Amino acid sequence: NAGVMQNPRHLVRRRGQEARLRCSPMKGHSHVYWYRQLPEEGLKFMVYLQKENIIDESGMPKERFSAEFPKEGPSILRIQQVVRGDSAAYFCASSPGGDWGYGYTFGSGTRLTVV
Amino acid sequence: ELKVEQNPLFLSMQEEKNYTIYCNYSTTSDRLYWYRQDPGKSLESLFVLLSNGAVKQEGRLMASLDTKARLSTLHITAAVHDLSATYFCAVANFGNEKLTFGTGTRLTIIP
Repeated sequence: NAGVMQNPRHLVRRRGQEARLRCSPMKGHSHVYWYRQLPEEGLKFMVYLQKENIIDESGMPKERFSAEFPKEGPSILRIQQVVRGDSAAYFCASSPGGDWGYGYTFGSGTRLTVV
Repeated sequence: ELKVEQNPLFLSMQEEKNYTIYCNYSTTSDRLYWYRQDPGKSLESLFVLLSNGAVKQEGRLMASLDTKARLSTLHITAAVHDLSATYFCAVANFGNEKLTFGTGTRLTIIP
């Protein structure tokens, strides 16, 4: 069981470029969540997706950020025209949905640095 | 809006001592999680607490939940160096799958 796979582990972008972060959930998990962690802070919810559907995007900034979880392939978090304030660790988590006994499994994260 | 507060934010302990981390949350919740994070790493799930009075133990760590007081505690017994990490609690409700995290407690065990 490979767990939740995120790539890349580290990503450096210049201001104005686009960043694409990928997340493959655990086998059998159909629910994907994205969280952002700023340095020295806790994780903040961004978006919750199921296959081909955005369920809750209440934590997503209104501009430049988008997320998808297509029928085939990984979930993608896309940040357009990155700014220095986007520098953070972005974590993806997955769950099977409806089974609360085991909680969520987090990936290793993508550390985005905007220069 | 659900708010989750942890204290202390920073904790330095000597080995073999006992201590407790507190997690308070502002509204009724169905589920409470404790996670551990090592520097530069992901979150490791420690405990999931689902009901009032729930107590779970793993090694030197024990977590409990009091839903009436909206309080969870993470108790560390006879600390050892490899417990040094940042510990987060997180809260969620059935029907709302997003987790709201506390600010974290950075624990340093001093030999």
